[in-house]
Amino acid sequence: NAGVTQTPKFRVLKTGQSMTLLCAQDMNHEYMYWYRQDPGMGLRLIHYSVGEGTTAKGEVPDGYNVSRLKKQNFLLGLESAAPSQTSVYFCASRGLAYEQYFGPGTRLTVT
Amino acid sequence: AQSVTQPDIHITVSEGASLELRCNYSYGATPYLFWYVQSPGQGLQLLLKYFSGDTLVQGIKGFEAEFKRSQSSFNLRKPSVHWSDAAEYFCAVGLLSGGYNKLIFGAGTRLAVHP
Repeated sequence: NAGVTQTPKFRVLKTGQSMTLLCAQDMNHEYMYWYRQDPGMGLRLIHYSVGEGTTAKGEVPDGYNVSRLKKQNFLLGLESAAPSQTSVYFCASRGLAYEQYFGPGTRLTVT
Repeated sequence: AQSVTQPDIHITVSEGASLELRCNYSYGATPYLFWYVQSPGQGLQLLLKYFSGDTLVQGIKGFEAEFKRSQSSFNLRKPSVHWSDAAEYFCAVGLLSGGYNKLIFGAGTRLAVHP
């Protein structure tokens, strides 16, 4: 039981490049989330999903897209990376008691 | 608007000393309350949660937290800190907003432990 996993762990992009971050969970959770973490700002919700095939915007969705084609996977895409998207990205899934379980994070640098 | 405030950005304690990390929230109803810990380079790990009932909740690693409705607070405590407790701690409020359950996080408190 791996919980929540994320790939890759690190990535460096040039401005304008695209990439996809993959999140996988093996707990059969319906809800999944993508957050970004920046110093002094805690975690901010980018997008979330309430089940396979459904996604919705969170607090800071601009510049990101997501897809949930399979229940266990939640993908976060950056179509045209910007330096402001340099951050640590965390995926989470939600249990029955509303607690969220987090992955180890992806550290992204956009130059 | 709903918010979570952690007034202390950094706290330093000596190993073996007691610890209290403060958390205040702004929300009209009784929220779900959580404390998470994040070690350097790691994801967030759930320490404890409060939904209802006994206002003093026990968590992992010897931590406890007390919900005080009158003060809108959910402070985290540990009677004797260990060097391995050095990490960043996040308080979070879980609430229903826009038809979905979400967490609002405080900005975090970084704990340093002196030997």
